[in-house]
Amino acid sequence: GENVEQHPSTLSVQEGDSAVIKCTYSDSASNYFPWYKQELGKGPQLIIDIRSNVGEKKDQRIAVTLNKTAKHFSLHITETQPEDSAVYFCAASKRISGAGSYQLTFGKGTKLSVIP
Amino acid sequence: NAGVMQNPRHLVRRRGQEARLRCSPMKGHSHVYWYRQLPEEGLKFMVYLQKENIIDESGMPKERFSAEFPKEGPSILRIQQVVRGDSAAYFCASGRDRNTEAFFGQGTRLTVV
Repeated sequence: GENVEQHPSTLSVQEGDSAVIKCTYSDSASNYFPWYKQELGKGPQLIIDIRSNVGEKKDQRIAVTLNKTAKHFSLHITETQPEDSAVYFCAASKRISGAGSYQLTFGKGTKLSVIP
Repeated sequence: NAGVMQNPRHLVRRRGQEARLRCSPMKGHSHVYWYRQLPEEGLKFMVYLQKENIIDESGMPKERFSAEFPKEGPSILRIQQVVRGDSAAYFCASGRDRNTEAFFGQGTRLTVV
């Protein structure tokens, strides 16, 4: 099955600096890669996603890049703010032919701390 | 438009009891997914349901766990004869269809004592 590795497990940055979180996946058939932000005591919230036919996607201060050949994708947060502090999860999904399943395989998360 | 609603938020059960976790999807969503999150871990897929159908239960333990999504009412994740190792946060997500993103609820934190 799919395996998603995420690094680093913890990341501390000064307010205003950039943060980068990297993930690798094992199944070349995976075609959908969302990123979730989880604040303490809350459920994961989708912040950005990318499909395999796109190499980069940007939404204000957040961007995601995908390298299908190397099977890795990254989350970039620029001009970080204290409210960006949370646990971030990457995930990968593969459409299973015939079954229509949409299960996500998650990385283990990165705890981002933005220091004011 | 209310988000995905899960209840209870916190549930404490003694070993051997049953736990029932409820999930009401967002309005207009007929696809529901259940995930389990252990401390310091990512979420693990358990089961994918549509109304009255289990589509994929490849992540569900073979015993004691069951899930349903009836025509009317919320989706239910049922854990019989709970053990300490079942202690975790259980998240439900819903989607309009299998090709669109899933939105997560706030989870039910199950503690088995």
